[in-house]
Amino acid sequence: GAVVSQHPSRVICKSGTSVKIECRSLDFQATTMFWYRQFPKQSLMLMATSNEGSKATYEQGVEKDKFLINHASLTLSTLTVTSAHPEDSSFYICSAPVQGSGELFFGEGSRLTVL
Amino acid sequence: QKEVEQNSGPLSVPEGAIASLNCTYSDRVSQSFFWYRQYSGKSPELIMSIYSNGDKEDGRFTAQLNKASQYVSLLIRDSQPSDSATYLCAVNKGGYNKLIFGAGTRLAVHP
Repeated sequence: GAVVSQHPSRVICKSGTSVKIECRSLDFQATTMFWYRQFPKQSLMLMATSNEGSKATYEQGVEKDKFLINHASLTLSTLTVTSAHPEDSSFYICSAPVQGSGELFFGEGSRLTVL
Repeated sequence: QKEVEQNSGPLSVPEGAIASLNCTYSDRVSQSFFWYRQYSGKSPELIMSIYSNGDKEDGRFTAQLNKASQYVSLLIRDSQPSDSATYLCAVNKGGYNKLIFGAGTRLAVHP
């Protein structure tokens, strides 16, 4: 099946710093990728849609200046959490649709802890 | 009203029994429906997808869709302790692959 790889799997940073998370589709091209956030014991909340070659589309309530998304190529999207604060600590998961299947495949997730 | 609703559980079933997980959705234009399994600390993995009314079977799993009643369910036959996880229902409202997730139902299969 399709493989989506996410890196890093865990990151700990100090408050005020920025953290970049990478999401790659390994064996297919993804013009669109989705970034989700999941707090403990809660469901996945869609943050934004990453579009190759154009600006990301953010969901209501998600600060686009804080969560910078760049879809640099057909296989890579990055999420940068800028000026991270402890309340940004969460599990961030990217996903990519496989064209024609209607299905989403998820990366392994990145657990961010902001001290 | 949430777009996708699930009973949070936990749903506890004995090993070998049938586990029944339910999900309702609010938007009638929804076209595609998915069940994902998520183990603690891991990302979701796709279990089943269903697009038309009726049943779809894959091994021990059966997905059921009723668009008129706006519900989708997942049956797990011969439940195993390894099936213990959170099951997420997801709905795609259009041909854009943007999925909306329910809060998930936690399933516990005890020996």
